[in-house]
Amino acid sequence: DAGVIQSPRHEVTEMGQEVTLRCKPISGHDYLFWYRQTMMRGLELLIYFNNNVPIDDSGMPEDRFSAKMPNASFSTLKIQPSEPRDSAVYFCASSPQGGLNTEAFFGQGTRLTVV
Amino acid sequence: SQKIEQNSEALNIQEGKTATLTCNYTNYSPAYLQWYRQDPGRGPVFLLLIRENEKEKRKERLKVTFDTTLKQSLFHITASQPADSATYLCALWAGGGNKLTFGTGTQLKVEL
Repeated sequence: DAGVIQSPRHEVTEMGQEVTLRCKPISGHDYLFWYRQTMMRGLELLIYFNNNVPIDDSGMPEDRFSAKMPNASFSTLKIQPSEPRDSAVYFCASSPQGGLNTEAFFGQGTRLTVV
Repeated sequence: SQKIEQNSEALNIQEGKTATLTCNYTNYSPAYLQWYRQDPGRGPVFLLLIRENEKEKRKERLKVTFDTTLKQSLFHITASQPADSATYLCALWAGGGNKLTFGTGTQLKVEL
């Protein structure tokens, strides 16, 4: 398996524009996580899915952020409208099962810059 | 509130020495604790997992301890090498076991 695949690797956009980040999890993994990483706040969990269903979105900063998982092999994180403070690295991760003794596998991340 | 805290200051050590990184947590009762490594421009990579009933776990030059009374885990790299330079993160499964939450990470630099 190629691992968790994210696209694009880098995204530069102007304030107010819509941004869509994409993730393909490892086949057979039931859990998918979206994280945001900044120097100030570290790695923050935004939302996670179990079997394509959003379970906990309490980390989503505001209504401008939305995430979907239409099928087991694809998820998107959308920001509309984007703001400079959204600039960060966004990671997608998947896990074969939730919790406890299972590890998470991360993608390479998308570096988002909003100017 | 729940917190997972790691030293925010970078740790600089000399090659060959043992590096010790600390992870403290508050208001969690984890059954398991994990450690990840992150290199610049890449996602975190899983290293080790330790269970609450294991005091110590080893993997090659890595050793992890887990003290549920102190609510602390220590991560040791013995005979450190420049290639060990990276950021190391601890993580807990919370929220009923389905929410993987990370500490802020500690940057390690191993110098020749």
